[in-house]
Amino acid sequence: EAGVAQSPRYKIIEKRQSVAFWCNPISGHATLYWYQQILGQGPKLLIQFQNNGVVDDSQLPKDRFSAERLKGVDSTLKIQPAKLEDSAVYLCASSVAGNYGYTFGSGTRLTVV
Amino acid sequence: GESVGLHLPTLSVQEGDNSIINCAYSNSASDYFIWYKQESGKGPQFIIDIRSNMDKRQGQRVTVLLNKTVKHLSLQIAATQPGDSAVYFCAEKRGGSQGNLIFGKGTKLSVKP
Repeated sequence: EAGVAQSPRYKIIEKRQSVAFWCNPISGHATLYWYQQILGQGPKLLIQFQNNGVVDDSQLPKDRFSAERLKGVDSTLKIQPAKLEDSAVYLCASSVAGNYGYTFGSGTRLTVV
Repeated sequence: GESVGLHLPTLSVQEGDNSIINCAYSNSASDYFIWYKQESGKGPQFIIDIRSNMDKRQGQRVTVLLNKTVKHLSLQIAATQPGDSAVYFCAEKRGGSQGNLIFGKGTKLSVKP
């Protein structure tokens, strides 16, 4: 089966600019996650979707981050305006609803200068 | 606070030797644990998992041990190969099937030829 697709692979922006990341999960996976991974650390959950509804966004900095999954398939994560501390790899993962196993994409590496 | 962490940030082993990577967790209510391998520029890749009703699970060249008494998890890799060089994360599942994974900081495994 095809894996979790993410784009772009790399992005460099200046602080205060906006940026958007895209994720296409594995076909049939109802649950989709966005994680932030800062260099040298483990991934940290930003938001979890079940189909097109939000299950958990408690760690999403809502003043600057937003995410949507309008049709219950693809998802976009947006940052506006970006800060230097947002430099990280943004990972998307998906799973079958109720399944404990996740499949991760390769991530988008964001550098804010 | 409650977190999943690792004892050592780096581990260096000789090719062919066995590797042991350790992890401590603090939430006794967690019921599922996963070990992930992350190579440079890639997303985390599933290695092996274990549920809290088990204390040992074996895969191909890998074994996970769970000691709930001391809240300790370990990953054993037999006959370590250069391709095993990566960062290894343990992750803890909280909140049942709808919960999400909490990752530790990771251990970097280097295999010397």
